[in-house]
Amino acid sequence: DADVTQTPRNRITKTGKRIMLECSQTKGHDRMYWYRQDPGLGLRLIYYSFDVKDINKGEISDGYSVSRQAQAKFSLSLESAIPNQTALYFCATSDLGLAAREDEQFFGPGTRLTVL
Amino acid sequence: GNSVTQMEGPVTLSEEAFLTINCTYTATGYPSLFWYVQYPGEGLQLLLKATKADDKGSNKGFEATYRKETTSFHLEKGSVQVSDSAVYFCALKKGDKIIFGKGTRLHILP
Repeated sequence: DADVTQTPRNRITKTGKRIMLECSQTKGHDRMYWYRQDPGLGLRLIYYSFDVKDINKGEISDGYSVSRQAQAKFSLSLESAIPNQTALYFCATSDLGLAAREDEQFFGPGTRLTVL
Repeated sequence: GNSVTQMEGPVTLSEEAFLTINCTYTATGYPSLFWYVQYPGEGLQLLLKATKADDKGSNKGFEATYRKETTSFHLEKGSVQVSDSAVYFCALKKGDKIIFGKGTRLHILP
């Protein structure tokens, strides 16, 4: 079974609709992240959370909100979707190990969202 | 601020060719450096990393050396395979976050 799962994998919705993307992990990591990927722009950080009570904005948080329901679950919401939010969305996790400089991030398979 | 610049793609090579994907960074101090790979339809996964100057990261025949003097972390492989076709991301870690480059798409022709 995958360590980081995302649901749904694909979603098509209309402008103005509320959308929730979900992420679950079985790695036991405290840190979770949401990114969006656009062609030619790489990955951009939307929100991140270092534990259940800690939520932080990334570089492109406008139009998005998140909820950390448990250590293992981190949801991303689009309150009123717009076409320029069409993108590939990735959830990732990491652990604060003893060698923090080496910490890698572990990514889910992604959710392809299309807003018409 | 911190940033990563990598060569634009797509890069198209024949099987068994030599590969170089250039990556340079801007950061204060000594960031950790990474290469991630994204295969079609999948999320990113760590390919290799280096945490201090002159370190060489290696995995699956790929190598990259942390060059402080040129602020570079170029990815190389001596003989590429069709299965290496993917998007490659250079990244740096400074503090708690990772900053990714824009990615380089690699196509390997049989």
